[in-house]
Amino acid sequence: KQEVTQIPAALSVPEGENLVLNCSFTDSAIYNLQWFRQDPGKGLTSLLLIQSSQREQTSGRLNASLDKSSGRSTLYIAASQPGDSATYLCAVNLMDSSYKLIFGSGTRLLVRP
Amino acid sequence: NAGVMQNPRHLVRRRGQEARLRCSPMKGHSHVYWYRQLPEEGLKFMVYLQKENIIDESGMPKERFSAEFPKEGPSILRIQQVVRGDSAAYFCASSPLTGRDTEAFFGQGTRLTVV
Repeated sequence: KQEVTQIPAALSVPEGENLVLNCSFTDSAIYNLQWFRQDPGKGLTSLLLIQSSQREQTSGRLNASLDKSSGRSTLYIAASQPGDSATYLCAVNLMDSSYKLIFGSGTRLLVRP
Repeated sequence: NAGVMQNPRHLVRRRGQEARLRCSPMKGHSHVYWYRQLPEEGLKFMVYLQKENIIDESGMPKERFSAEFPKEGPSILRIQQVVRGDSAAYFCASSPLTGRDTEAFFGQGTRLTVV
């Protein structure tokens, strides 16, 4: 059974710092991995999607890497801003049921001004 | 092109009442997925529907929960005789296709509170 774990559960950093969020998964038979952002009381915004054949994806100040063999992904946020404060969720898309996303519990990020 | 629309955004029900949650997928999307997020937890898959068909309901509780996606109109997630443990955020996502290269788009969610 696929399990997705995110560490740390919560993180507080001063503005301007670079930071890394971690995601690990137990079954490497995935199609892709997605990182989402969730603001309090809001829906999910897709940030980056990495296909299983890819190693990383970049969008602005965000860079996501994927090491499928070790079951790990990281989301790197450069020069953090208070507006980055949110919960970040990673989710994997399984090969045996490609429509179903398995989510981690998320990392709550607070960027202090 | 409007995104995935869910209503209501907030729903309060007394124990024993019925809750109906609606989801209108993005235009051109015929695949709908429902997820539930309990407090302080990640999202959990509930059900996958195509028009008039339930494809996978492996994440749905066996009793009181049902879902439909009729030929016309929104997808409905129905919870009968709600209990306090049903209090959660319910998210709907839609996609035009399914498979490895398909990205699902999520709605804002419906926050159900059972009192």
